[in-house]
Amino acid sequence: ETGVTQTPRHLVMGMTNKKSLKCEQHLGHNAMYWYKQSAKKPLELMFVYSLEERVENNSVPSRFSPECPNSSHLFLHLHTLQPEDSALYLCASSQDTTSEQYFGPGTRLTVT
Amino acid sequence: QKEVEQDPGPLSVPEGAIVSLNCTYSNSAFQYFMWYRQYSRKGPELLMYTYSSGNKEDGRFTAQVDKSSKYISLFIRDSQPSDSATYLCAMSGNTNAGKSTFGDGTTLTVKP
Repeated sequence: ETGVTQTPRHLVMGMTNKKSLKCEQHLGHNAMYWYKQSAKKPLELMFVYSLEERVENNSVPSRFSPECPNSSHLFLHLHTLQPEDSALYLCASSQDTTSEQYFGPGTRLTVT
Repeated sequence: QKEVEQDPGPLSVPEGAIVSLNCTYSNSAFQYFMWYRQYSRKGPELLMYTYSSGNKEDGRFTAQVDKSSKYISLFIRDSQPSDSATYLCAMSGNTNAGKSTFGDGTTLTVKP
């Protein structure tokens, strides 16, 4: 596989569930990102990791918990979400935090 | 007031038309300007990247930045059905890709 992959592509979960989103990049990049994309709203940066260390956390509720075990993998752990958390969650990677970002296809999350 | 305002659309044009996509912004510190294209069920991909004022051309695409008016545009000449997508403008005050501020996006449909 090449580029940035995300699994699952679609996820429906109840407010009491715990689930995880997975992102994998095959580009040898050192920086990875999580974004939230809601309808009619701009892309919102959630977290930035550089060399597996979190360097940015944009006031994201604690029900979203990121994990970066190595430079190729990024997870977003979800628990006790709210219906307003329903959105497309995009992962991206870049060579470093100043370089062009490459996005994955996203996970479409629906919270019921 | 949002830092970046993008023409909301949707926009529908016949094949071969010239398309103009526009964004205005309020932060005079923005110096890096980007246009992303996002196809349905895909993540955004970087289309054009410009620094400061001026024009940049790449095939049928021209990006224009007018910093004095805080206005940027993307022109698509000889539009094709394959150009049908959502276009996102993004801008940043430095080279940190993760610090970009995005517009809401404009959905374009080019009809054959």
